[in-house]
Amino acid sequence: DVKVTQSSRYLVKRTGEKVFLECVQDMDHENMFWYRQDPGLGLRLIYFSYDVKMKEKGDIPEGYSVSREKKERFSLILESASTNQTSMYLCASRQTLKLFFGSGTQLSVL
Amino acid sequence: LAKTTQPISMDSYEGQEVNITCSHNNIATNDYITWYQQFPSQGPRFIIQGYKTKVTNEVASLFIPADRKSSTLSLPRVSLSDTAVYYCLVGDMDSNYQLIWGAGTKLIIKP
Repeated sequence: DVKVTQSSRYLVKRTGEKVFLECVQDMDHENMFWYRQDPGLGLRLIYFSYDVKMKEKGDIPEGYSVSREKKERFSLILESASTNQTSMYLCASRQTLKLFFGSGTQLSVL
Repeated sequence: LAKTTQPISMDSYEGQEVNITCSHNNIATNDYITWYQQFPSQGPRFIIQGYKTKVTNEVASLFIPADRKSSTLSLPRVSLSDTAVYYCLVGDMDSNYQLIWGAGTKLIIKP
């Protein structure tokens, strides 16, 4: 079974801090994604990557950046966290149209 | 881009069949329809995928009419453990840009 692991289940950060969310997949998938999920808004795509060092903006990239130095690892970076970035963050990898998600990171920015 | 619309919530009872419909009026020729299930504090999990007509697996069926402007996820004989949020996803197999998520349907199963 595919395993997508997100490094933290819960994070509490302060406004202005730099935040790193890490995601690792074990199935050699080329495509990886970062979504955020807010009540009533479903899943919104922040960034995706289709190969090492390759990245593309999704629907809501503002305030975020990503890094993919190795195929199995895709990191989401909040350069200067703000309270409106309090959310559930979901990482996924893709095989055709089948997405495999991690358990999510609930980030609170105070 | 195909915009998807789902009911916000649904209730049913144990042992009943539940049907959740997703509308996607602008679905493109290359788009497939996929359904996911999400429990609290977990990521969504793949349930079923189809292109047209009917697909069945061990947990659900997916009905897609000929015009493909909607799809219906059918859960047979639900139990309390089927209480979850269900999402439809419309997208092209070959594109990361064109993955359009519905807002999700919160299904509550009562005893």
